[in-house]
Amino acid sequence: QSALTQPASVSGSPGQSITISCTGTSNDVGGFNYVSWYQQYPGKAPKLMIYDVSNRPSGVSNRFSGSKSGNTASLTISGLQAEDEADYFCSSYTIRSTRVFGGGTKLTVL
Amino acid sequence: QLQLQESGPGLVKPSETLSLTCSVSGGSISSSPYYWGWIRQPPGKGLEWIGTIYYVGGTYYNSSLKSRVTISIDTSKNQFSVKLSSVTAADTAVYYCARHKTHWGPGAFDIWGQGTMVTVSS
Repeated sequence: QSALTQPASVSGSPGQSITISCTGTSNDVGGFNYVSWYQQYPGKAPKLMIYDVSNRPSGVSNRFSGSKSGNTASLTISGLQAEDEADYFCSSYTIRSTRVFGGGTKLTVL
Repeated sequence: QLQLQESGPGLVKPSETLSLTCSVSGGSISSSPYYWGWIRQPPGKGLEWIGTIYYVGGTYYNSSLKSRVTISIDTSKNQFSVKLSSVTAADTAVYYCARHKTHWGPGAFDIWGQGTMVTVSS
């Protein structure tokens, strides 16, 4: 199973909004509303930020939002803060009842 | 509050079998119909889903690892385990165990262990 495609890096200034894309196929991202997003700091375990495309777990800032169009899901972070600088990974359920991750995106806050 | 903790050897020789256990505390692994999974991350690289097990034992595996992976669950010990056979240097990674948030199948992972580094080297 091929990994989902994410940009290797994105950057933004404090207060700005950024969007990270996650592209798959109709067998994963496009076929199911089961995309999730994770934030990971160096040396730490990933943290769930968005599940089922656009739902936020309790405790996650409403600056984080998710959406999907066709085979591409997106994570948007508004009002960028220095603490948002981290790696972000998307993941999707697939037609084979498995899960697949994206390659990850490094977010730099300028 | 539910917590997960991975344990196992930090060094495994090439061609041998990697074995890790995830101990669950703060709740019973069999009290609710959750799915439990393993994920790994090679140094400096992305996440790779290894496989998932249902609390009553059904399993799902990454097709690229399926011939070498076995995931099992021991509800009496409140833990689940992964075995990866015939390891090579490419299996060197931080291994995470995690709980799926969903009751229907391998959905999002909402609770993660801290991860354990496994190095494959002679």
